[in-house]
Amino acid sequence: QQQVKQSPQSLIVQKGGISIINCAYENTAFDYFPWYQQFPGKGPALLIAIRPDVSEKKEGRFTISFNKSAKQFSLHIMDSQPGDSATYFCAAIHFPIQGAQKLVFGQGTRLTINP
Amino acid sequence: NAGVTQTPKFQVLKTGQSMTLQCAQDMNHEYMSWYRQDPGMGLRLIHYSVGAGITDQGEVPNGYNVSRSTTEDFPLRLLSAAPSQTSVYFCASSLGPNNEQFFGPGTRLTVL
Repeated sequence: QQQVKQSPQSLIVQKGGISIINCAYENTAFDYFPWYQQFPGKGPALLIAIRPDVSEKKEGRFTISFNKSAKQFSLHIMDSQPGDSATYFCAAIHFPIQGAQKLVFGQGTRLTINP
Repeated sequence: NAGVTQTPKFQVLKTGQSMTLQCAQDMNHEYMSWYRQDPGMGLRLIHYSVGAGITDQGEVPNGYNVSRSTTEDFPLRLLSAAPSQTSVYFCASSLGPNNEQFFGPGTRLTVL
């Protein structure tokens, strides 16, 4: 059962534009919401993350907006560059008292920035 | 630091063959885990370990074994490969279960 739904599946943005990727989750027990960037042939790399008690976090050109009541969060990439072309995964993490960390990924968004 | 390393990068097996996917980290992380990534299904946890000598099952453990004899290494064994195990496998590690995980580059496995 998919607990994190991500959209769109693919996105094409012109260089300098704003890329927006959306995610929605179901389980209110999640503690942490990271975004991962994955290039072909590489593993997912942590890009930016937010805790549910914060509504927005910005790091350089990357911003997470978080709406706890709607159980939605989104990634905004400002001034998108061709080097940002990659697959982006949102995720939700439940940190356990004991046992396995529950990490749930969204389905992924393939972002292409046209020069 | 090399981070999380995985070998091999690619592997083709025939049904019924066995093999071991290697994973190592040099960050002195206690928590390590194995995931498989299939199209449209995100990541699914296979096995995890909270420290040397301690392992446990994740969401999809059938057909896989793990061991953790050292802090650094966490190999994943396929006992008798099946076409359903065709996937990309990622190893990840973190300081503990309550910390962000770092992922290796992945192993693309095809079972014919």
